[in-house]
Amino acid sequence: DVKVTQSSRYLVKRTGEKVFLECVQDMDHENMFWYRQDPGLGLRLIYFSYDVKMKEKGDIPEGYSVSREKKERFSLILESASTNQTSMYLCASTRDLGYEQYFGPGTRLTVT
Amino acid sequence: AQKITQTQPGMFVQEKEAVTLDCTYDTSDPSYGLFWYKQPSSGEMIFLIYQGSYDQQNATEGRYSLNFQKARKSANLVISASQLGDSAMYFCAMREILTGGGNKLTFGTGTQLKVEL
Repeated sequence: DVKVTQSSRYLVKRTGEKVFLECVQDMDHENMFWYRQDPGLGLRLIYFSYDVKMKEKGDIPEGYSVSREKKERFSLILESASTNQTSMYLCASTRDLGYEQYFGPGTRLTVT
Repeated sequence: AQKITQTQPGMFVQEKEAVTLDCTYDTSDPSYGLFWYKQPSSGEMIFLIYQGSYDQQNATEGRYSLNFQKARKSANLVISASQLGDSAMYFCAMREILTGGGNKLTFGTGTQLKVEL
């Protein structure tokens, strides 16, 4: 059974803290993605990676960075968390073009 | 740039009735794919159905079917015989193939469906 896991379901951080969100998939997928989900805005792509050590900016990369040192792991980094980064963060992976993305359970991040 | 529009923020349907969730898209690429995902209140995103731009037949998966009208650029989801468990947020998404490799999805804003007794 395919699986995408995220390190935390809920996270509370203070403004200015460095935050790491981890995502691991066990399907040997090349492509991995980070989205944030906000009410009324749907899912918006932050960063994605189609190979190890490769990364591409999505639609809203400002304030975020990513790391992909191993194929199965894709990390999202908030260098200095701000209150406007309070959101639900979803990780996804996919094997190849035309195939559906598999999503993790999401991390609800609150920045106070 | 690609764009996905879901104009129904919320929908109600009676149990056992059919319901159509609207999705329109805009792209200049001849090759694209359209997806529908379901997100229950628990938060996980569940893939429902996929339609490729070159597919001749409308996609179907159990009680889900995709009413694909290419000329109108619409890809509506039809759920037949609604069940209480269908109550969820539904997202339409379009796949874009990137020139540098890889692909990404652009999502609509979602439709909250509530199935009533």
